[in-house]
Amino acid sequence: DIQMTQSPASLSASLDEIVTITCQASLDIGNWLAWYQQKPGKSPQLLIYGATSLADGVPSRFSGSRSGTQYSLKISKLQVEDTGIYYCLQHYSAPYTFGAGTKLELK
Amino acid sequence: QVQLQQSGAELVKPGSSVKMSCKASGYTFTSYYIYWIKQRPGQGLEWIGRIGPGSGDTNYNEKFKGKATFTVDKSSSTAYMQLSSLTPEDTAVYYCAREDGTYYYSFAYWGQGTLVTVSS
Repeated sequence: DIQMTQSPASLSASLDEIVTITCQASLDIGNWLAWYQQKPGKSPQLLIYGATSLADGVPSRFSGSRSGTQYSLKISKLQVEDTGIYYCLQHYSAPYTFGAGTKLELK
Repeated sequence: QVQLQQSGAELVKPGSSVKMSCKASGYTFTSYYIYWIKQRPGQGLEWIGRIGPGSGDTNYNEKFKGKATFTVDKSSSTAYMQLSSLTPEDTAVYYCAREDGTYYYSFAYWGQGTLVTVSS
């Protein structure tokens, strides 16, 4: 199985701060990487697909990047509504695997 | 618009089985795989497997073979997942999701989740 090592596990940041979350894949997964945001009691919502493309309706302060097998999600100016848990997903090879999640809170 | 409507919460006893549903609307049901994902309380997401409603083709995470069984009813555009021999470790929210080629085949659409509580 492909392992997705996500860091940090938790993060506390201030309004307007730049936030970066990373996922390291254990194998080459190309661009088969998506990022999700999950709010308490809600289903995950797609933010980024194909490693770098912004999903419909997602604010432009979110962006995704790739360097080899390392993937990053960046929030350029943290807003109140960005709190929640973020997950990466590799859907290159079954079993598809998620990162362990990053809990993002406001400082 | 694409919608996945899941069945309601279940309270079941250890050793029993449960069958939950995921009713699709807003698209051609047989054209897209339906995926099932598990989330234990306060924990992360785990891929259980998928079913192709048109072909009935299934892929299971090895971890869930013998535990989960996927079926579909094309006449009602509904996917089902049955979980058997339930233990407290099966207590979780179970989501169905659909991929979309527009989004690089990521899980673009999710149901609201079905909470299964296994308790005597």
